[in-house]
Amino acid sequence: DAKTTQPTSMDCAEGRAANLPCNHSTISGNEYVYWYRQIHSQGPQYIIHGLKNNETNEMASLIITEDRKSSTLILPHATLRDTAVYYCIVRGLTSNTGKLIFGQGTTLQVKP
Amino acid sequence: EAGVAQSPRYKIIEKRQSVAFWCNPISGHATLYWYQQILGQGPKLLIQFQNNGVVDDSQLPKDRFSAERLKGVDSTLKIQPAKLEDSAVYLCASSLPPGAFNGYTFGSGTRLTVV
Repeated sequence: DAKTTQPTSMDCAEGRAANLPCNHSTISGNEYVYWYRQIHSQGPQYIIHGLKNNETNEMASLIITEDRKSSTLILPHATLRDTAVYYCIVRGLTSNTGKLIFGQGTTLQVKP
Repeated sequence: EAGVAQSPRYKIIEKRQSVAFWCNPISGHATLYWYQQILGQGPKLLIQFQNNGVVDDSQLPKDRFSAERLKGVDSTLKIQPAKLEDSAVYLCASSLPPGAFNGYTFGSGTRLTVV
């Protein structure tokens, strides 16, 4: 079972920041938070991951709370192409814990 | 870098027929996964290979599904006989061995419709 809880859907205006929350209150100390997104008719795409520090790359920023029980994915300037299902996943790094277990995700609709 | 290749892209079969899907992972990726994604749901892991050995097939319905990864590269997933509830997108993904700080790379999937 997925170890995360996300809102089912969110809307965002084009050009504004999209902030997608995720709760992972049972995360273990050696587990990472990963974010993937799935655009219609495509396979999931890796966005970003982090352990406890905030992370930023060319796609997004990841803010992890100090107690690591929740995180927020930030798309700084959402475009229509960012409309997708976003999955927050907790993942370890061993053969057993390293599997990606997907939940329902958050459907982000970016509107003009 | 070439992505994960899957074929066919679409397949329509009648129930009780058999079907096979093919996946070619990214070169050098030792770990390969097959997922099933039913419409409106997140992908569900069916089987995980490490090189040509099965690491986890606990979610694979073994009475009708089978998968192999000969020579630790390409993989095939077979369904025999198919049921209506097998209608889904079948996704293949590959990654470097667990422990590496890399995400999975997914193929575009095969959309199966069982009628």
